[in-house]
Amino acid sequence: EVQLVESGGGFVKPGGSLRLSCAASGFTFSNAWMSWVRQAPGKGLEWVGRIKSKTDDGTTDYAAPVKGRFTISRDDSKNTLYLQMNSLKTEDTAVYYCASDWEGIADQWGQGTLVTVSS
Amino acid sequence: DIQMTQSPSSLSASVGDRVTITCRASQGIRNDLGWYQQKPGKAPKRLIYRASSLQNGVPPRFSGSGSGTEFTLTISSLQPEDFATYYCLQHNNYPPTFGQGTKVEIK
Repeated sequence: EVQLVESGGGFVKPGGSLRLSCAASGFTFSNAWMSWVRQAPGKGLEWVGRIKSKTDDGTTDYAAPVKGRFTISRDDSKNTLYLQMNSLKTEDTAVYYCASDWEGIADQWGQGTLVTVSS
Repeated sequence: DIQMTQSPSSLSASVGDRVTITCRASQGIRNDLGWYQQKPGKAPKRLIYRASSLQNGVPPRFSGSGSGTEFTLTISSLQPEDFATYYCLQHNNYPPTFGQGTKVEIK
């Protein structure tokens, strides 16, 4: 059974940094492309970014609002996906989900972790 | 970016009703579209991929159709557990973009 478990969310002041983790199990993580998706309180879903598998060159893509501030990485030896978030803004407040990409985007999802950016 | 316009934004329906939700893309996206269900406080769950393929374990009362710019999610006979918010997501062009959601409420 596929399991994705996010951690690392919390409260941070504007301009601060936070690193989210997503522990994966139940599938071959090293072969998987992975995405991050977020949802601001009471709002819809927003794709944040994606990392390809290392065998598919391991490159990343980001949504415009986070490009240059967020970095997605992976440690295949630990079956873990990361989202490094720098220069956080109040509008980054959201539940952050990691998801595995198969037949498109966001096949299986984690339970999410809440990030609150406030002074 | 490709805009995904979902309609309606909300609807009220009764158990047993047939429900149809539509997503229109601002440009052609072939069949690169998924449908998701989200219940309050829970992560989204994919129901349909490639516009019309049923995700494993999803009841067959859910179906998807369409290609190009117009797509439909149909629930053939609404069940109590289907009251939720539904989203479409295109992945033909980066960045992937979601529709704004359709909230299905009990009549």
